[in-house]
Amino acid sequence: QVQLVQSGAEVKKPGASVKVSCKASGYIFNKFVIQWLRQAPGQRLEWMGWINTGNGNTQFSQRFQDRVTFTSDTSASTVYMEMSSLRSADTAVYYCVRVAAALVLGPHHFDYWGQGTLVTVSS
Amino acid sequence: DIQMTQYPSTLPASVGDRVTITCRASQTISSWLAWYQQKPGKAPKLLIYKASSLQSGVPSRFSGSGSGTEFTLTISSLQPDDFATYYCQQYNSYPATFGQGTKVEIK
Repeated sequence: QVQLVQSGAEVKKPGASVKVSCKASGYIFNKFVIQWLRQAPGQRLEWMGWINTGNGNTQFSQRFQDRVTFTSDTSASTVYMEMSSLRSADTAVYYCVRVAAALVLGPHHFDYWGQGTLVTVSS
Repeated sequence: DIQMTQYPSTLPASVGDRVTITCRASQTISSWLAWYQQKPGKAPKLLIYKASSLQSGVPSRFSGSGSGTEFTLTISSLQPDDFATYYCQQYNSYPATFGQGTKVEIK
């Protein structure tokens, strides 16, 4: 069965960086785009961007494009989200999600979600 | 960015009730709308896509309708497992955007 399993919770100080992993299984890894979302406490879900697991191309929301990097390791069926210059407003649960259709780069809905990774930024 | 507005924000209801949640887009999104259910501490779960298509495995008491800028999610007969928060998402254009959520709670 399709699964996305994310790394565990992180606590970081302001100004630090964090790297969250998302390991996929149960499907052909490089056929589906992975996107990243986050949800701050009590807030709506926010789209961060996507990575094409087939060739490593990425696209980011303008809000994050200067501080976020997505990478993909095909041999490990794993994608990574790294965010730098963390601030308290980055405290949120971060989700990796699978686009619900193979080989689609355009906007789409999401059929499988990771369990979420809580990133807490606090001094 | 396309703004998504859901109402109501909170919906008190009882088991067996027919429940309707509305989602409005700030500009037309055709039928590129999805609905998700989220329970506390869990990831959202896809219920409906393309405004009215039921995701595999989702009970038929859930249905979606609408196009353009106005959409609804209906639960025909609320079950105990349905008390949760529901989000709409537009995928007409990037960035994908979500509504603020509707919490269906026990009356």
